[in-house]
Amino acid sequence: ELKVEQNPLFLSMQEGKNYTIYCNYSTTSDRLYWYRQDPGKSLESLFVLLSNGAVKQEGRLMASLDTKARLSTLHITAAVHDLSATYFCAVELDSNYQLIWGAGTKLIIKP
Amino acid sequence: SAVISQKPSRDICQRGTSLTIQCQVDSQVTMMFWYRQQPGQSLTLIATANQGSEATYESGFVIDKFPISRPNLTFSTLTVSNMSPEDSSIYLCSVGPDSSGNTIYFGEGSWLTVV
Repeated sequence: ELKVEQNPLFLSMQEGKNYTIYCNYSTTSDRLYWYRQDPGKSLESLFVLLSNGAVKQEGRLMASLDTKARLSTLHITAAVHDLSATYFCAVELDSNYQLIWGAGTKLIIKP
Repeated sequence: SAVISQKPSRDICQRGTSLTIQCQVDSQVTMMFWYRQQPGQSLTLIATANQGSEATYESGFVIDKFPISRPNLTFSTLTVSNMSPEDSSIYLCSVGPDSSGNTIYFGEGSWLTVV
């Protein structure tokens, strides 16, 4: 059974600081996704990571994937308040676009 | 990117009633999925909506409780039957992949509260 563990589950940080969210998964998978969810909103796709060593960056967010370690990271650089949200990682099961989700990391960035 | 419309966006339902959620996509997609997100929780896959055949349900979800239709490649419905307060959740339709073969998109969600 594929399990996805995210940590931390809650993160409060100051603007301008750097931090990393970790996503571990238990079996091999072809794709790993990162999503953002604002309160009362649906999910916004941030990154899709397709292969070992993949690194993608968008603004202050950078995601990477190590398939050998079964680990993905979402790194936040010089955080700003607008990045406050819940971030989910999700791993694709059996290459059929079904996603198994991490518990989510609630990120609060204080001015 | 795919544009997904879900209806209703929000509803308050009486215990014991049923509600059907609609998911309309602006392009033909092969894969459509229904997820549930209980308050403060992560997402759980309910079922894969298969065009022209019965949906494929995940463990813990059954057709009698969550009947799904998929009459064509752009539309699906999820019915939440005989609702109880435990069914209060966000129900999300998702489709994938997009034309580049990558990301999976989500509808805006249907927020159901059962009283």
